Amino acid sequence: QSALTQPASVSGSPGQSITISCTGTSSDVGGYNYVSWYQQHPGKAPKLMIYEVSNRPSGVSNRFSGSKSGNTASLTISGLQAEDEADYYCSSYTSSSTLAVFGTGTKVTVL
Amino acid sequence: EVQLVESGGGLVQPGGSLRLSCAASGFTFSSYSMNWVRQAPGKGLEWVSYISSSSSTIYYADSVKGRFTISRDNAKNSLYLQMNSLRAEDTAVYYCARDHLAALNYWGQGTLVTVSS
Repeated sequence: QSALTQPASVSGSPGQSITISCTGTSSDVGGYNYVSWYQQHPGKAPKLMIYEVSNRPSGVSNRFSGSKSGNTASLTISGLQAEDEADYYCSSYTSSSTLAVFGTGTKVTVL
Repeated sequence: EVQLVESGGGLVQPGGSLRLSCAASGFTFSSYSMNWVRQAPGKGLEWVSYISSSSSTIYYADSVKGRFTISRDNAKNSLYLQMNSLRAEDTAVYYCARDHLAALNYWGQGTLVTVSS
């Protein structure tokens, strides 16, 4: 099972919106609405930001939103803030013999 | 408050074995599926293994299949990962994480496993 494909880095200025893509196949992202997104600051454990493509857990800012089209899922961060600078990973359920797969990860830089 | 605390990491020689533990508290452990996820130094996240609440369903990543065994003891609120035939590429921080609607909504702080001679 290959990792889902994400851009290595995305950057934006404070207040701007950025979008991170996550591309898989019809066996994972495209086949199920079980895409989740995680934020990870250096030296910290990942934090769930989005589940089931577009749902936000309690306590997560509504500046974070998720969507999916075909085999590509996306995470949009609006009103970019300095605290949003972190690594972001997507994940999807997969119909392969394994169960889940993560994306390659995207480093978000706030300029 | 949900807490997941991993332990058991350390330095082990190639070909050796190690058993990781994850102590859960603050929720009804027996009601939730659990996962292990690892992260090699400077690298991305890699899902390792899944176990359902009753241990009836188990999955492994291809990279660890046949070498790692996931288990749980609901009476002790604990999750385990038995790792055998360890390789240098198994060096990573290992996280336990609680499953919720095919997402991982709570994570431990991780335990570092280093495989080196």
